[in-house]
Amino acid sequence: DVKVTQSSRYLVKRTGEKVFLECVQDMDHENMFWYRQDPGLGLRLIYFSYDVKMKEKGDIPEGYSVSREKKERFSLILESASTNQTSMYLCASSLSGRAREQYFGPGTRLTVT
Amino acid sequence: QKEVEQNSGPLSVPEGAIASLNCTYSDRGSQSFFWYRQYSGKSPELIMFIYSNGDKEDGRFTAQLNKASQYVSLLIRDSQPSDSATYLCAVLRVDSGGYQKVTFGIGTKLQVIP
Repeated sequence: DVKVTQSSRYLVKRTGEKVFLECVQDMDHENMFWYRQDPGLGLRLIYFSYDVKMKEKGDIPEGYSVSREKKERFSLILESASTNQTSMYLCASSLSGRAREQYFGPGTRLTVT
Repeated sequence: QKEVEQNSGPLSVPEGAIASLNCTYSDRGSQSFFWYRQYSGKSPELIMFIYSNGDKEDGRFTAQLNKASQYVSLLIRDSQPSDSATYLCAVLRVDSGGYQKVTFGIGTKLQVIP
């Protein structure tokens, strides 16, 4: 079974802090994604990566950066957390190919106070 | 116009009935279409994907795709209370940078009434 793990289920940070969210997958997937999910807005893509050291902006990259130094690990960084970044953050991975089924991690509920 | 549109619901159906979930998309070049199920407090999990016009059946689930109408649907036969969840429609498309990206709808909440 594919397993995608995220470093924390719940996280509380203060405004202005630098925040690291880690995601690891164990199935040698090429593609990795970071989403945030908010009520009424659905899942929105923040950043994605199709290869090691490769990253591309998604639909809402502002205020975020990412790092992919190893194939299995994709990190999301909030350089200076703000209250509007309070959200559920979901990491996903997939193989390359047309179907591109994505496997999701359990999510990190981030609260910025 | 949103890239992927779904009615947020809730859609209420009695146990044993057919639940019909609908999704429209705006990009005619979209290539693949997915239905994910998300239980409250959990992450999405794939139910089905389809990329050819017509129907695709898997157990109690049938995905239907009509590319001319830019419409994809999910039918759930013999609905069970355990089917109560939010169903996310997702569409694979190529963005302006040439990258394939998946865009999700906001999801339809389904309630199956015992």
